Parts: sequence; structure tokens; C-alpha cells
Amino acid sequence: NAGVTQTPKFRILKIGQSMTLQCTQDMNHNYMYWYRQDPGMGLKLIYYSVGAGITDKGEVPNGYNVSRSTTEDFPLRLELAAPSQTSVYFCASSHAEGGGYTFGSGTRLTVV
Amino acid sequence: KNEVEQSPQNLTAQEGEFITINCSYSVGISALHWLQQHPGGGIVSLFMLSSGKKKHGRLIATINIQEKHSSLHITASHPRDSAVYICAVPFNFGNEKLTFGTGTRLTIIP
Repeated sequence: NAGVTQTPKFRILKIGQSMTLQCTQDMNHNYMYWYRQDPGMGLKLIYYSVGAGITDKGEVPNGYNVSRSTTEDFPLRLELAAPSQTSVYFCASSHAEGGGYTFGSGTRLTVV
Repeated sequence: KNEVEQSPQNLTAQEGEFITINCSYSVGISALHWLQQHPGGGIVSLFMLSSGKKKHGRLIATINIQEKHSSLHITASHPRDSAVYICAVPFNFGNEKLTFGTGTRLTIIP
């Protein structure tokens, strides 16, 4: 039982490049989330999903897109990377909204 | 939107000391979460509680719904407890997506 698996762990992007952060969970959780963590700040919700085919914006969605084609996968897409997107990104899942969370190990992204 | 405040921001203590970390929030909630972020960055869920007290090993979490306050206690602290402890609550009552505090950085000195 791997829990929540995030890839890659580290990435450096140039301004304007695009990339996809992968997130997979094997716990059959309905709810999945993407957060970003900036130094000295609390985790901020980017996007979330309550099930396959359903996604919604969180607090800071600009510059990002998501999809949820299966229960297991919830990739986060950056289309035109900007320095403001330099952050640590965490994917998480829960069985139900407000239930106990399981987090991925994080992706440290630097945009230069 | 719920506002979450944690105190202290940083805490350094000697091994064996009793540790208390506090969390206050502004809007009534159904449940509160305590998380631990390891020095390597990984985040682990410690507790989810809606009333009273929960205990897991040397960790104890309490919540007072009326006062909108929760505490996380660590008994017989150990250097391996060194981490950032994060409190999280729903955005507002009935909306269970979480908003997170900025965390308390705990350092336990041998």
C-alpha cells in the first residue's frame, strides 16, 4: 500500500515552460487535493476533486489546471511557468471531505 | 473564511520537557486537524478531533469548541519530535476544505 505517490520530487523550469506534476493514490479515496507551500506560509489549496470527472478551484488556482479521469490519478498542470510558481507542491487525498488526510512527499519546483 | 493562529511560532526545549502548542481559529468548525511536517518535508496527519481529547503514544490533542481553541501536547519530548506542527481547520462551518496555520517549529535538544 503506497499511499499517495508524487512525482517528480524536484524540478527546475525556465519561465514559460510547462510541466505536469503527477499524483496517484491507491487507497480508493474519493477526495484529492493539490496544495502549495511557500516559505513561512500555510499550505494553500490550489485545486481539489471530489471524485472522477469532478474538479473545482481552491484559493490559488491561477496558472494551474487539473484533471481527474480516474479515482487514482490527479495530475496538476502548469502551462506557462512563472517565478511566482516557485514553491513546494503537495498532493493529498482523503476518504471523505474533512476525513483524515494522506499527503504525498512533495515536489520542490523552482522557476528561473 | 476561518483564520487560524498558532503559537508559539518557534519553540526550543530540552529533551524530556512537556511541550504545548496552541491553535486558535475564528469560525465554528466540525473538526480540527493536527499535522506533523518532518525536517525532510513530508507531512503526516496526527489527529482529527471534533471534541474532547485524543491520545496517541506521547502525543495528546485537546479541543474546546466553545472557545475555538485546540492544544497539542507532547510528553517526555525526544529529539525525534523535532518537526513543524501544523493546525488545520475547515474554511468555514459546513465547508470541510481545510485552511492551514503557518505551523510551530519545534526543536528538542538532547
